Amino acid sequence: QKEVEQNSGPLSVPEGAIASLNCTYSDRGSQSFFWYRQYSGKSPELIMFIYSNGDKEDGRFTAQLNKASQYVSLLIRDSQPSDSATYLCAVEGGRRALTFGSGTRLQVQP
Amino acid sequence: GAGVSQSPSNKVTEKGKDVELRCDPISGHTALYWYRQRLGQGLEFLIYFQGNSAPDKSGLPSDRFSAERTGESVSTLTIQRTQQEDSAVYLCASSAGQGGTGELFFGEGSRLTVL
Repeated sequence: QKEVEQNSGPLSVPEGAIASLNCTYSDRGSQSFFWYRQYSGKSPELIMFIYSNGDKEDGRFTAQLNKASQYVSLLIRDSQPSDSATYLCAVEGGRRALTFGSGTRLQVQP
Repeated sequence: GAGVSQSPSNKVTEKGKDVELRCDPISGHTALYWYRQRLGQGLEFLIYFQGNSAPDKSGLPSDRFSAERTGESVSTLTIQRTQQEDSAVYLCASSAGQGGTGELFFGEGSRLTVL
C-alpha cells in the first residue's frame, strides 16, 4: 500500500464547476497535510495546509481533513481553466519528511 | 537569494558517468529536501536534512546515490555510475523546519538525461 494515494485522473470539470480532489494516507500518526499545485514543466507550489479535523477555507479553495478515515480532500469552487494542473497531496508524519502522492491531473474545460 | 536555486538546470550524460547536482536553499531555512520526479510521476523522496541532525537517507534508491550538506547552506546530490533509469527531474526544496508551517519551497529542478 502506498503511503499517500491519489487518483491519477485526469479529472475533467467544466468551467465554473466544483472540482473535488481526494487523497488517503496510511500513517495514522500523520500530523500535517498539504496540497501543492504543479503546472506542467514547473515546480510544485503550496496551495493550502491543514492540521486539524474539519474544513479550512481560503478563497475558492477548501481543504477537508478526516483523521479517523485518514482522508484529506481539496475542493476548488468556480473552477477556472487556469486551475488546470496536477494537484499533489503531501503528508508529514513520523518520517519527518513530506511524503507526496502521485498527484491528480485536473482539466477545467472552458 | 530570494528562492531555492538549483544547478545545472539541464544535464545530459552518458551511462556510467558520475553527476553532481547542486542546491542553494533559501537563506535561514534549516530543512532541505531532495525529491526525484520521473516523467508523469509524483515526487519520490530521496533525502532530508534538518539542521545539524543526522540526515534521513531512507529514500535513496541505491548506494550510487549520496548527498551532502554544508551546515545550513548548499547541498550536493551525487549520482555515481548513472543508469538510464536515473533520468528524471531532481527537485530540491527548503523549509523553515521545526517551528515553521512546514511549507516547502521548491527550486526549478535539475533535469537529468542519461543516454
